[in-house]
Amino acid sequence: QQPVQSPQAVILREGEDAVINCSSSKALYSVHWYRQKHGEAPVFLMILLKGGEQKGHDKISASFNEKKQQSSLYLTASQLSYSGTYFCGTVSVSGGGADGLTFGKGTHLIIQP
Amino acid sequence: ETGVTQTPRHLVMGMTNKKSLKCEQHLGHNAMYWYKQSAKKPLELMFVYNFKEQTENNSVPSRFSPECPNSSHLFLHLHTLQPEDSALYLCASSHPDREQFFGPGTRLTVL
Repeated sequence: QQPVQSPQAVILREGEDAVINCSSSKALYSVHWYRQKHGEAPVFLMILLKGGEQKGHDKISASFNEKKQQSSLYLTASQLSYSGTYFCGTVSVSGGGADGLTFGKGTHLIIQP
Repeated sequence: ETGVTQTPRHLVMGMTNKKSLKCEQHLGHNAMYWYKQSAKKPLELMFVYNFKEQTENNSVPSRFSPECPNSSHLFLHLHTLQPEDSALYLCASSHPDREQFFGPGTRLTVL
């Protein structure tokens, strides 16, 4: 069962912040975040493996609430280059090792100057 | 060459043709994956290989046949496909429990 992402789409002005949510009905082992631009392959952003973990680099960070089976991706002071479709991919708690990801439908992010 | 490469980048085939997609990774990973990305659907996992052994088949029709001769190469053999199989086919690789690196994909059109 695929995770549910929200919102489906968001339009921001450059410099504004955005939050993208990913929610699963299954207990999760890990959450992976990717960004895909049109006509290109998905690019890895970050992976969260433990409950309550928060990670970040530059102006992109993410949190993982294992108890709620939810993850959120935070984009602060957005740049034009942040435009694209953001996907969360999940591995259920029975996983671990080499597991394929179950992806959400994606969140389309458009950054306007 | 580094990263994950896929060939061909574009493929047009008839429903009676047989073709193969190739994926090669130069990252030293032991796990490789095939995903399908259709226009209005999320990325769908198709197959997982770990140390050359298939560990997951996500209920994929038998007209798709994967092959993993070694940890660096992954193939997807196609035969008697349907027009609804037209999609972007993405290969990825990873270490266990680590991020997956995707190739550029093969854009497949079935006529």
